[in-house]
Amino acid sequence: ETGVTQSPTHLIKTRGQQVTLRCSSQSGHNTVSWYQQALGQGPQFIFQYYREEENGRGNFPPRFSGLQFPNYSSELNVNALELDDSALYLCASSWGVLTEAFFGQGTRLTVV
Amino acid sequence: GENVEQHPSTLSVQEGDSAVIKCTYSDSASNYFPWYKQELGKRPQLIIDIRSNVGEKKDQRIAVTLNKTAKHFSLHITETQPEDSAVYFCAAVGGNNRLAFGKGNQVVVIP
Repeated sequence: ETGVTQSPTHLIKTRGQQVTLRCSSQSGHNTVSWYQQALGQGPQFIFQYYREEENGRGNFPPRFSGLQFPNYSSELNVNALELDDSALYLCASSWGVLTEAFFGQGTRLTVV
Repeated sequence: GENVEQHPSTLSVQEGDSAVIKCTYSDSASNYFPWYKQELGKRPQLIIDIRSNVGEKKDQRIAVTLNKTAKHFSLHITETQPEDSAVYFCAAVGGNNRLAFGKGNQVVVIP
């Protein structure tokens, strides 16, 4: 196990609703990255937080937002959910941006 | 941004044989290349990584090679075992400091 934990593990939401996913980073790590993994695809970078500041963003619309707390845990918020948002959402923590990243077990989001 | 491609998409090998997965990347500024193994329903797990100042790295049955000139890197698994069956992702950190993943290779080890 990596020490990176995510909650909840599974979630079902209705189109148009909002969702918050949570990630506790591994002890000593100050960087958290969020990824969306569709079935049969590789993880797609959503954004990264380094010491509570957003440090890069992928090609996702503004309704995907996040934050990082002083203890380096993080949240991913998605507003106005769409059916295509159904995926496995992974967070990964690391010490800095160019070191080994360790993943949480993911949150499986289903939008109906 | 960085674009990472993996080949082949599916690879079947007899137990005991070797498996090789190749990836190419587009950003010449990329300097960190990790490999992840993902079993069905589980999280991606880092199995080996290499930095741009090294051409090859080995860890027991797993090795990774990097050719910066050609912008490709490969994962080599020797003496494959059934537990090596999984999806393997290569990734690269480009000049924007983002980890870009390939689409993954399904490796099937046939007992």
